[in-house]
Amino acid sequence: AQSVTQPDIHITVSEGASLELRCNYSYGATPYLFWYVQSPGQGLQLLLKYFSGDTLVQGIKGFEAEFKRSQSSFNLRKPSVHWSDAAEYFCAVVRGNYGGSQGNLIFGKGTKLSVKP
Amino acid sequence: DAGVTQSPTHLIKTRGQQVTLRCSPKSGHDTVSWYQQALGQGPQFIFQYYEEEERQRGNFPDRFSGHQFPNYSSELNVNALLLGDSALYLCASSLRQDSSYNSPLHFGNGTRLTVT
Repeated sequence: AQSVTQPDIHITVSEGASLELRCNYSYGATPYLFWYVQSPGQGLQLLLKYFSGDTLVQGIKGFEAEFKRSQSSFNLRKPSVHWSDAAEYFCAVVRGNYGGSQGNLIFGKGTKLSVKP
Repeated sequence: DAGVTQSPTHLIKTRGQQVTLRCSPKSGHDTVSWYQQALGQGPQFIFQYYEEEERQRGNFPDRFSGHQFPNYSSELNVNALLLGDSALYLCASSLRQDSSYNSPLHFGNGTRLTVT
């Protein structure tokens, strides 16, 4: 069965430091992968997505992610974290094969990011 | 351009009662998906509506039902509420025709349901 694992429940980084949030997926075929961010009391906002092609994808707010098929990973990175990046981050994969609606996503449990001044 | 709107924002119900949550999709979207997000967890897919019919369903009991109206808005109904139904319920809209996934899924801010 498909699954998404985010090994880190909570990460704290200093403002200006680099960030990497880990995501591992389980799926036999080419996955359709997403990273979302959720601020307290808010819904989810899409940061970036991977469907095919270049394995390094750029997103909003200076985030990028790299798809590594050999490691079944889709880690999120940012070179310099800002205090406003403090939030919860979710990795997700589309359930099923290509052509399945993107509305049916499997989410990881999330990683809460705290930023130290 | 209004995004996805959900109502109410907060709700408190008693165990055994029934609840209805409402969602208006982003303008131009025709598909609505509902998710349940328990505290400290990622969202879990409940079901999806398109053309007023339930198209996909997650692993949720029949106590969870929904409806989509001709204007694409949607309702989520939960009967016989349990304490474990306490969660943030998120609605997300998308455009069904966009099989290329270029149109991102848009989420509302959710309805926080507390069952006592």
